[in-house]
Amino acid sequence: DAKTTQPPSMDCAEGRAANLPCNHSTISGNEYVYWYRQIHSQGPQYIIHGLKNNETNEMASLIITEDRKSSTLILPHATLRDTAVYYCIVRASNTGTASKLTFGTGTRLQVTL
Amino acid sequence: GAGVSQSPSNKVTEKGKDVELRCDPISGHTALYWYRQSLGQGLEFLIYFQGNSAPDKSGLPSDRFSAERTGGSVSTLTIQRTQQEDSAVYLCASSSSRDRRLNSPLHFGNGTRLTVT
Repeated sequence: DAKTTQPPSMDCAEGRAANLPCNHSTISGNEYVYWYRQIHSQGPQYIIHGLKNNETNEMASLIITEDRKSSTLILPHATLRDTAVYYCIVRASNTGTASKLTFGTGTRLQVTL
Repeated sequence: GAGVSQSPSNKVTEKGKDVELRCDPISGHTALYWYRQSLGQGLEFLIYFQGNSAPDKSGLPSDRFSAERTGGSVSTLTIQRTQQEDSAVYLCASSSSRDRRLNSPLHFGNGTRLTVT
């Protein structure tokens, strides 16, 4: 699986949009971009994933550049409960078997009042 | 609905003892994963089960670690002759691979915190 690069930490004011960047310049054509987050003392929580097109769900939006070498996770109105470590992961989608996720060190997002 | 359940939530054991950690995946999920997370560190892949296929054991750190999945559902991770460096949170995840595109997300439990004294 391709390697990802994320800033180690970011701050965001409550109520503002949090934009978390991720570089995955070696991503290949069959690899999806996944985002997970981990709140203290809990297991990682799935947020969103995409291949080429931008995606939106009830939690967040995912913007993937046209060349797919980078993406941005957007939390439109951050709250204190969004304080967590956010992981950007690329994962191959091969026929026959699912593949494991390889977690990096993520971005620690601190939402402040 | 029921998520991934892990037990016990906390386990303290003496060095040299064996421990068993249990994972109940989401019903119907055919893929099951074990990860561990040492204090302040990222997640380290251990082992992956997919249906009836041979498991991917490439992440197991030593032969003291083993895992099995009985009946395609519940999984047990066993650590023999525990060492202090085995202290970590052991996380289990499951996913559905019925989708041929095989991009189903992993759903994690809250882990078992293992402390070896």
